[in-house]
Amino acid sequence: GAGVSQSPSNKVTEKGKDVELRCDPISGHTALYWYRQSLGQGLEFLIYFQGNSAPDKSGLPSDRFSAERTGGSVSTLTIQRTQQEDSAVYLCASSLVGSETQYFGPGTRLLVL
Amino acid sequence: GDSVTQMEGPVTLSEEAFLTINCTYTATGYPSLFWYVQYPGEGLQLLLKATKADDKGSNKGFEATYRKETTSFHLEKGSVQVSDSAVYFCALSTGSARQLTFGSGTQLTVLP
Repeated sequence: GAGVSQSPSNKVTEKGKDVELRCDPISGHTALYWYRQSLGQGLEFLIYFQGNSAPDKSGLPSDRFSAERTGGSVSTLTIQRTQQEDSAVYLCASSLVGSETQYFGPGTRLLVL
Repeated sequence: GDSVTQMEGPVTLSEEAFLTINCTYTATGYPSLFWYVQYPGEGLQLLLKATKADDKGSNKGFEATYRKETTSFHLEKGSVQVSDSAVYFCALSTGSARQLTFGSGTQLTVLP
C-alpha cells in the first residue's frame, strides 16, 4: 500500500508493562511525526524525526517515552512502565521534507489496564 | 506557545444546511493553517490548507480563508450532506519542524 501504516492496530497491556508501537511511513518521506489522541488532552504532538534524527523531542510527556527511527524509514515509539493515563490512540504521520502536508496512519489504540 | 481554539461541538445539521465551524489561532511567526477531517472509523485526512494570509483553501465543497487580521480560519460549506458527518480539526504549523498544533475538534452530524 502507498499510505502510512501502523502496527499493532490495537494493544491491550497491563500497567507497568513496556509496549512498542511501529510506524511505516510513505516511501521517500523523510519527515516523520508521532502524535497522541486522548479524551482528556485532544491531539498532541510527541516527537519529530528528520531522517533518523529527532531534533525536537519537546512533546514527549515523560522519560518513560522514547522513539527511534532507523534507515530513514520505520519508527518505533516505546513506552516503558505503562500507566493508565497512557491509554490513547497513537498516530504517526509522514511528509516530504519542506512539504506542508502530513499524511496520517490509522493509529494504534493503546489500552492500559 | 502556539494554540488553536475551535468551536465547541457537537454540531447537528439537516442535510443541505449551511455549515460554519469557527477556528481562531495564536502563533508566533507565520503559520500555515489546516483543516483535517476524521470520518468514523478512519484516520485523519487533510481536508484543506492555506499557507499565507488571504489564501483560500478549498476541497469537496468546503472552504476556509486565512484571515491574519482576525487570526481566524473558519470552515464553511454551503450545503452539507450526510456523508460529511465526521470530526473536524483545525490546526496550524510553524517552525522548522512543521509539527501540527490542533484544536479540540468539532463533531458534526448531518441528518437526512
